[in-house]
Amino acid sequence: GENVEQHPSTLSVQEGDSAVIKCTYSDSASNYFPWYKQELGKRPQLIIDIRSNVGEKKDQRIAVTLNKTAKHFSLHITETQPEDSAVYFCAASKEGAQKLVFGQGTRLTINP
Amino acid sequence: SQTIHQWPATLVQPVGSPLSLECTVEGTSNPNLYWYRQAAGRGLQLLFYSVGIGQISSEVPQNLSASRPQDRQFILSSKKLLLSDSGFYLCAWSAPDRSYTEAFFGQGTRLTVV
Repeated sequence: GENVEQHPSTLSVQEGDSAVIKCTYSDSASNYFPWYKQELGKRPQLIIDIRSNVGEKKDQRIAVTLNKTAKHFSLHITETQPEDSAVYFCAASKEGAQKLVFGQGTRLTINP
Repeated sequence: SQTIHQWPATLVQPVGSPLSLECTVEGTSNPNLYWYRQAAGRGLQLLFYSVGIGQISSEVPQNLSASRPQDRQFILSSKKLLLSDSGFYLCAWSAPDRSYTEAFFGQGTRLTVV
């Protein structure tokens, strides 16, 4: 089955700098890659997703890139702010699989 | 609009006691339903998922079981809790008629087994 690896497990950046979180997946048939943000004590919520027919997607300060050949995708956050501090999860799924497989999560801390 | 309810929010149970966590979804029919566990400092581990009433797929062998007695109700149970069952349990749903699986999570249940 699908296996998703996420790095780093923790990331600390200065406010205003950029943060990058990377994930690799094992199943070449996977075609949907969402990213979730989980603030302390709260539920994970979808922040951005990408499908395999595109290589990059951007939404304000957040962008996701996908390299299907290498089977990896990344989350990029620019101009980081204190409210970006949270745990971020990547995930992968394929059509018909009916389930998401998550990475281990990255705890992002934005230092003022 | 669709909403998901999960309860209780927190639970402290002694080792060996039974467990029942309930999740219900409103505003959609025949959703895919999921139970995830998040151990402290760990990722989201899929425990069970269901694509219909009475249809349960187990992802990992464990001390827990799941049931779906109604279309929009998903229950996580245990007959005898272990210390290792402690964690943050999340119920989620997704639409069944999509080619991709965007999951919507409940607010979670923090279970502490003592």
